[in-house]
Amino acid sequence: GAVVSQHPSRVICKSGTSVKIECRSLDFQATTMFWYRQFPKQSLMLMATSNEGSKATYEQGVEKDKFLINHASLTLSTLTVTSAHPEDSSFYICSAILGGGGRGKSPLHFGNGTRLTVT
Amino acid sequence: GENVEQHPSTLSVQEGDSAVIKCTYSDSASNYFPWYKQELGKRPQLIIDIRSNVGEKKDQRIAVTLNKTAKHFSLHITETQPEDSAVYFCAATPGRGTGFQKLVFGTGTRLLVSP
Repeated sequence: GAVVSQHPSRVICKSGTSVKIECRSLDFQATTMFWYRQFPKQSLMLMATSNEGSKATYEQGVEKDKFLINHASLTLSTLTVTSAHPEDSSFYICSAILGGGGRGKSPLHFGNGTRLTVT
Repeated sequence: GENVEQHPSTLSVQEGDSAVIKCTYSDSASNYFPWYKQELGKRPQLIIDIRSNVGEKKDQRIAVTLNKTAKHFSLHITETQPEDSAVYFCAATPGRGTGFQKLVFGTGTRLLVSP
């Protein structure tokens, strides 16, 4: 089945530094990828929609200058958490649609997630 | 925008019993409703989904029902097993204005199946 690979799985960084998380679709092309954040024992909250070749669309309340998203190819989207703070510590998960979505919606495929800890 | 509510937040059952998790959504334009199972520290895994033109779908011990009029959908797990223990999330897509799968998730249900 479709596979989405996310790297790294865990990262610990110091306050003020930046962290880059990669999301790759391994056996399909994904024109659209999504980035979610999940705090402990809470639901997945959509942060932004990453569109290949164009600017990402951010959800209300998500700072685009803090969470930089780049979707330079059909198989790779990156999320960079800039000037990280302890409150940014969370589980970040990317997802992608097989086939790009369209009106006949296809299931989302999730990456394994990245647990970010900011000290 | 779309709002998805999920109940209960926790559910404890004995092995072999049935478990039912319910969700309601607010956007009548939503037309795709997947259910995900998430084990601790792992990615959500799609277990079943239903589209708005169908009222019920079953896959072995798992079934999902959809009531479009009432805007609610439910997950039914029969003959539960300890390995069914996990957090389950329902989701809905606000279909208006987009063909992309911008999922809105429910708050999750922690299911514990005791042997």
